[in-house]
Amino acid sequence: AQSVTQLDSHVSVSEGTPVLLRCNYSSSYSPSLFWYVQHPNKGLQLLLKYTSAATLVKGINGFEAEFKKSETSFHLTKPSAHMSDAAEYFCVVSGKYNFNKFYFGSGTKLNVKP
Amino acid sequence: NAGVTQTPKFRVLKTGQSMTLLCAQDMNHEYMYWYRQDPGMGLRLIHYSVGEGTTAKGEVPDGYNVSRLKKQNFLLGLESAAPSQTSVYFCASSYSPSGTSGHQETQYFGPGTRLLVL
Repeated sequence: AQSVTQLDSHVSVSEGTPVLLRCNYSSSYSPSLFWYVQHPNKGLQLLLKYTSAATLVKGINGFEAEFKKSETSFHLTKPSAHMSDAAEYFCVVSGKYNFNKFYFGSGTKLNVKP
Repeated sequence: NAGVTQTPKFRVLKTGQSMTLLCAQDMNHEYMYWYRQDPGMGLRLIHYSVGEGTTAKGEVPDGYNVSRLKKQNFLLGLESAAPSQTSVYFCASSYSPSGTSGHQETQYFGPGTRLLVL
């Protein structure tokens, strides 16, 4: 069975400081892992995904995430926050060959202060 | 490409009324999904389809029906709306899992439909 836990429901950072959004997953098989971003009143947009290639995955807008199997984590980071990063972020897990089963975390709302 | 589109964008229903939400994609994706999003709960899968003419239940299917008569369209129906179905509904589509690796492909989401049931 797969599941995902986003450890923080809200994160607040100042513009220009690093961002860390935490995600832990549970998966019986080799997982596919995704981070999506949702801006207010918008649909979800893919930031990055991991599918068993390099463990450090680079995404759009300067975000990256590292797959750590030993810690069952897939934390999202960005070196320097921008005001436009304020949004809600979802970590998603799906198992290999687990057709059509995507499990969403409950989301982390990122607030960026000027 | 328009990507994934949803109609309507917003709807208000009275308890017991019925309605159909339409999702359309122009990326020739095999798989399509309907989710609902409620505060603090992320997205939960209602129904999904792996191809034209096939549908299956997701995590929260009760009170909903779906149809996939054409590859590009996926319809979500509420036969008798209830206040508990007040939510934001998202449609998504994707290619089938990647070849022999079996890893999931990216889902592409529509802009959502806000539904209020009074």
